[in-house]
Amino acid sequence: GDSVTQMEGPVTLSEEAFLTINCTYTATGYPSLFWYVQYPGEGLQLLLKATKADDKGSNKGFEATYRKETTSFHLEKGSVQVSDSAVYFCALSVYYGNNRLAFGKGNQVVVIP
Amino acid sequence: DTEVTQTPKHLVMGMTNKKSLKCEQHMGHRAMYWYKQKAKKPPELMFVYSYEKLSINESVPSRFSPECPNSSLLNLHLHALQPEDSALYLCASSQDGVRTSGAGELFFGEGSRLTVL
Repeated sequence: GDSVTQMEGPVTLSEEAFLTINCTYTATGYPSLFWYVQYPGEGLQLLLKATKADDKGSNKGFEATYRKETTSFHLEKGSVQVSDSAVYFCALSVYYGNNRLAFGKGNQVVVIP
Repeated sequence: DTEVTQTPKHLVMGMTNKKSLKCEQHMGHRAMYWYKQKAKKPPELMFVYSYEKLSINESVPSRFSPECPNSSLLNLHLHALQPEDSALYLCASSQDGVRTSGAGELFFGEGSRLTVL
């Protein structure tokens, strides 16, 4: 079935450091790919998306490129801030009559001043 | 208006109580969802309504009963819950099932944090 794999474990880094969170996927169709962010005590917010191969999603300094050849959608930010501390979920959607999202396990990101 | 509004934000209930969670959206979306999220885990899909009809039930116990009174509202009725049902319940909505550029993008509410004693 459709699935998303995120790198294991929390990510702790210093302010202004470079952030990468790996995401790979398995899908039988042509998925749309998403990164959602969840700040403490809140619901999920869409951070960025890409709907076809080679598309680059970007928002708030974050970027991710839809790589069909490596089935990946890695999230990157060049200079993180303390306010970027949150849980980040990679997700995919393949239309089967409903927009079912398959989520990765999520990565807790902690940015230290 | 791009918000999904959920009430209440917090709910504490006993195992014999009956309560309801409510969700509202005014984006004209025709698909609405209930997810359950335990701490430090991704959301798990419970129900999907498409055009006000239940289209997906992910084998959820009958103590959870969804209802979609109209295209803007989604309720989750709770009865005889167990302590392990304590979680954050997230409502979401999306455009209809037609594959458009917005397909798959879900808009989530802030969630209702449920504690079952």
